[in-house]
Amino acid sequence: EAAVTQSPRNKVAVTGGKVTLSCNQTNNHNNMYWYRQDTGHGLRLIHYSYGAGSTEKGDIPDGYKASRPSQENFSLILELATPSQTSVYFCASGGTSNTEVFFGKGTRLTVV
Amino acid sequence: GDSVTQTEGPVTLSEGTSLTVNCSYETKQYPTLFWYVQYPGEGPQLLFKVPKANEKGSNRGFEATYNKEATSFHLQKASVQESDSAVYYCALTQSSGSWQLIFGSGTQLTVMP
Repeated sequence: EAAVTQSPRNKVAVTGGKVTLSCNQTNNHNNMYWYRQDTGHGLRLIHYSYGAGSTEKGDIPDGYKASRPSQENFSLILELATPSQTSVYFCASGGTSNTEVFFGKGTRLTVV
Repeated sequence: GDSVTQTEGPVTLSEGTSLTVNCSYETKQYPTLFWYVQYPGEGPQLLFKVPKANEKGSNRGFEATYNKEATSFHLQKASVQESDSAVYYCALTQSSGSWQLIFGSGTQLTVMP
């Protein structure tokens, strides 16, 4: 069974603080993705990766960094969190050609 | 860049009625098209995909035809059930080069018993 695990599942952060969202996949997939989900906007791509050591900017990368230290792990980093980054974040992994992409259960982040 | 536009939601239907969710896309390359479904508290999951133009994909009574000329990929179901209540996303990925997976804004479907 394909598995993508996100941690934490819920997070409250203070404005200006640093936040790290973690994602682990056991699918041996090359491609990994970070999305945010907001009402009216659907799923918007923040960063993605083709494999260990690679990170690419998606459609809305400003204010976010990403790190892919290994095939299994892909982190999203908010160096200076702002209230506008309050959202639900989803990590996903996909094999070559994205035949099927598997999502985690999401992380609800609230920045106060 | 690539983009996907789909029916503005929410959509409320009675059980047994038909569903159409419109999806159109823009891309300079040759895409693979997908429909994903998301239930409350879960991440999106693949409903079905269609990699080739003018072919149909289907699953659980849902279907969509990849119309390359019209750049459309509308989701249809002849008779919805209460258990179909969910958010539906149209998505595309390019068939070569960048493997970005781009989603539409989602359509919330509620089916009343």
